[in-house]
Amino acid sequence: ETGVTQSPTHLIKTRGQQVTLRCSSQSGHNTVSWYQQALGQGPQFIFQYYREEENGRGNFPPRFSGLQFPNYSSELNVNALELDDSALYLCASSRPGGGLETQYFGPGTRLLVL
Amino acid sequence: AQSVAQPEDQVNVAEGNPLTVKCTYSVSGNPYLFWYVQYPNRGLQFLLKYITGDNLVKGSYGFEAEFNKSQTSFHLKKPSALVSDSALYFCAVRDQNNFNKFYFGSGTKLNVKP
Repeated sequence: ETGVTQSPTHLIKTRGQQVTLRCSSQSGHNTVSWYQQALGQGPQFIFQYYREEENGRGNFPPRFSGLQFPNYSSELNVNALELDDSALYLCASSRPGGGLETQYFGPGTRLLVL
Repeated sequence: AQSVAQPEDQVNVAEGNPLTVKCTYSVSGNPYLFWYVQYPNRGLQFLLKYITGDNLVKGSYGFEAEFNKSQTSFHLKKPSALVSDSALYFCAVRDQNNFNKFYFGSGTKLNVKP
């Protein structure tokens, strides 16, 4: 098991609502990335946070936003939920290492939008 | 743009037999390649990575992968499969400009039968 934790484990929301997912990175890791994994697909990169700033974004609309805190933990916020937002949301953390470091993933939060 | 492809949705193998899970990549420049495994209702677990050096990379749980530049492949292998190896396997390539942005394949379900 990695030291990356996520909460909650499961969540059910309705269309139009807003959701906040949380991630605590592994000790010593200062970079957090978020991924969306739809059923039967590979994870898709949403964005990455480094030193409390967004540092890279995938093809996701602005209603997907995030935060990183001084202790390197992170939140993913999704506004105006849509049915297609139903997925497993994965958080990954890594140490600073100029590209040679591995990302370690948390167990994920499974979101169901009804 | 970088991408990986996993041509097989599912691989079936008998316990004790060797297994291969295929991955091909498309990148400009030197590829940074990874394999992750996902068990049901769990996050992704890191198996191994290729950054540079020897073409045969050894990883966790007896897995290894062979980097082949001419065939742009990075196949995952294990000499003797275990029933407990049954899981979903993902190949990934790291973005050339954003080291924490991974592009994942669609995944290959490995079934190891007793």
